[in-house]
Amino acid sequence: GAVVSQHPSRVICKSGTSVKIECRSLDFQATTMFWYRQFPKKSLMLMATSNEGSKATYEQGVEKDKFLINHASLTLSTLTVTSAHPEDSSFYICSAERLGLVGDTQYFGPGTRLTVL
Amino acid sequence: GQQVMQIPQYQHVQEGEDFTTYCNSSTTLSNIQWYKQRPGGHPVFLIQLVKSGEVKKQKRLTFQFGEAKKNSSLHITATQTTDVGTYFCAAPHPNRDDKIIFGKGTRLHILP
Repeated sequence: GAVVSQHPSRVICKSGTSVKIECRSLDFQATTMFWYRQFPKKSLMLMATSNEGSKATYEQGVEKDKFLINHASLTLSTLTVTSAHPEDSSFYICSAERLGLVGDTQYFGPGTRLTVL
Repeated sequence: GQQVMQIPQYQHVQEGEDFTTYCNSSTTLSNIQWYKQRPGGHPVFLIQLVKSGEVKKQKRLTFQFGEAKKNSSLHITATQTTDVGTYFCAAPHPNRDDKIIFGKGTRLHILP
């Protein structure tokens, strides 16, 4: 079945540094990918919709200058957390949308745990 | 690896009929979440179940968490066209509470 990978799975960084998270669709092309954030014991929160070849669409309250999204190819979207702070520590998940004849299917990545010291 | 198995993958029902999707795990889950994704949209959180045997209702939706906390179900009574979409369950990885595992989803199609 379709697989979506994320890299890295875990990252620890110092406050003030930037961290890049990659989301790849391994066996299908995805014009649309989604980035989510999950706080401990909470539900997923959609951060932005990543569109290949165009600007990402951010949800209300999400700082686009802080969470940079680049969807440069049909199989790769990246989320860069710029000038990370401890409050950015969270679990980040991407999903990729596979278009199909009977409807579109979401495939979730395994997630990336970010810890900012 | 650890998996949350969700069945069925697809379900077509006549409007007004009931619908149920199931999630099963081989290991005990600390909690389970359910999401609904409308066509063209993104998954939206519906509910979280934590307690063994817990049953929660949201209008026509009934969510259950098994006594052993290894399975869960979402039941919709008297489906309506607005129920169309894909329903996902998700649970924390049993050994890594910083990792969440999603079921593959059940796509519900309503026949008028």
